[in-house]
Amino acid sequence: NAGVTQTPKFQVLKTGQSMTLQCAQDMNHEYMSWYRQDPGMGLRLIHYSVGAGITDQGEVPNGYNVSRSTTEDFPLRLLSAAPSQTSVYFCASKGANTGELFFGEGSRLTVL
Amino acid sequence: LAKTTQPISMDSYEGQEVNITCSHNNIATNDYITWYQQFPSQGPRFIIQGYKTKVTNEVASLFIPADRKSSTLSLPRVSLSDTAVYYCLVGDTGRRALTFGSGTRLQVQP
Repeated sequence: NAGVTQTPKFQVLKTGQSMTLQCAQDMNHEYMSWYRQDPGMGLRLIHYSVGAGITDQGEVPNGYNVSRSTTEDFPLRLLSAAPSQTSVYFCASKGANTGELFFGEGSRLTVL
Repeated sequence: LAKTTQPISMDSYEGQEVNITCSHNNIATNDYITWYQQFPSQGPRFIIQGYKTKVTNEVASLFIPADRKSSTLSLPRVSLSDTAVYYCLVGDTGRRALTFGSGTRLQVQP
């Protein structure tokens, strides 16, 4: 019973590098989303998707791209990493007719 | 999007009942109220969800007045392990963005 799986758990990047955070869920959830959480702060919504082929911006989308080619996967791409993107990133998914979000364990990203 | 307001922090002692209130003045007709618990270095975990009146499960109760402009999460007889950040989130069950507020940091003392 995997739920929401995020990889990698830890990553260190240099400024300007690009990378992709992977998120996969095995619950057949249509809704998926990415949040970032800076130290001591709340979660801020980056992007979300309500189904395959559909994505939309959240509160803090700049510097990030997403795509949703399958129901299971929702990768988050950092195009050109900046120190301000140092954070913990959480992926979440939700089934229909419920408000319950299921979260992954998080990916801790450090940009030097 | 319905904006939520919660106290920044609360302190309690083991065995006490803790009530955390969340204000959501512009809640929409289709919106549900959901509460999450987050421990350090972990993703938030669902606690309880409600639409109106009272909902109870094995860990908490959720009280929602008739006007639905606020809600109160009640944790009976807290223990040290309930020390965490608690978030209320307002949104419908469909296709809208779900945004979190700042949360309430609960510290339980022995």
